[in-house]
Amino acid sequence: DQQVKQNSPSLSVQEGRISILNCDYTNSMFDYFLWYKKYPAEGPTFLISISSIKDKNEDGRFTVFLNKSAKHLSLHIVPSQPGDSAVYFCAAVSNFGNEKLTFGTGTRLTIIP
Amino acid sequence: GAVVSQHPSRVICKSGTSVKIECRSLDFQATTMFWYRQFPKQSLMLMATSNEGSKATYEQGVEKDKFLINHASLTLSTLTVTSAHPEDSSFYICSARETAYSGNTIYFGEGSWLTVV
Repeated sequence: DQQVKQNSPSLSVQEGRISILNCDYTNSMFDYFLWYKKYPAEGPTFLISISSIKDKNEDGRFTVFLNKSAKHLSLHIVPSQPGDSAVYFCAAVSNFGNEKLTFGTGTRLTIIP
Repeated sequence: GAVVSQHPSRVICKSGTSVKIECRSLDFQATTMFWYRQFPKQSLMLMATSNEGSKATYEQGVEKDKFLINHASLTLSTLTVTSAHPEDSSFYICSARETAYSGNTIYFGEGSWLTVV
């Protein structure tokens, strides 16, 4: 049972435009969400997170939106840059002290110069 | 910022031998670290939770006698793959939580490629 889903395995975006990566979850106990970026043969790099008490968190070019009623979150990258090409994973955790992340299957983002 | 370091980044070992992978939190203490495994084109799979000073907690289906985890200090956890076989070849990643005034963040190591020949 995939509790965290990223339904788009891949996404291509023109450089300078906005990239929107989506993530859906089914477990209503999740209360903290994170986005990671991963290059091949490297560990994931933390990008941005959001607590369930918020609906938006922004950090530079990255903004994460959370819609609890829809159990949906999205990562917006604007403007997109070639270095953003990577696989992006969303992750969720319930009771942050537990720290057992549940990952989505990832979305491969390709930025077209 | 906080950094989690893994060593070695790549290791090749012969079938039947054991190999140890280290995970260090470089500038923060981590009472809990996590070990993941990633199969090609799949998501990260949590293997076990490493608790400083106590036994690790393994996920269902993970052989604890094969994947030995030791968390001897607040900055170091080790994963030992014992009697490795080719099917153990994979990408292993650790993570650690940093607790800061601004909140908690989980950082990942760079990952370790294990190839068993």
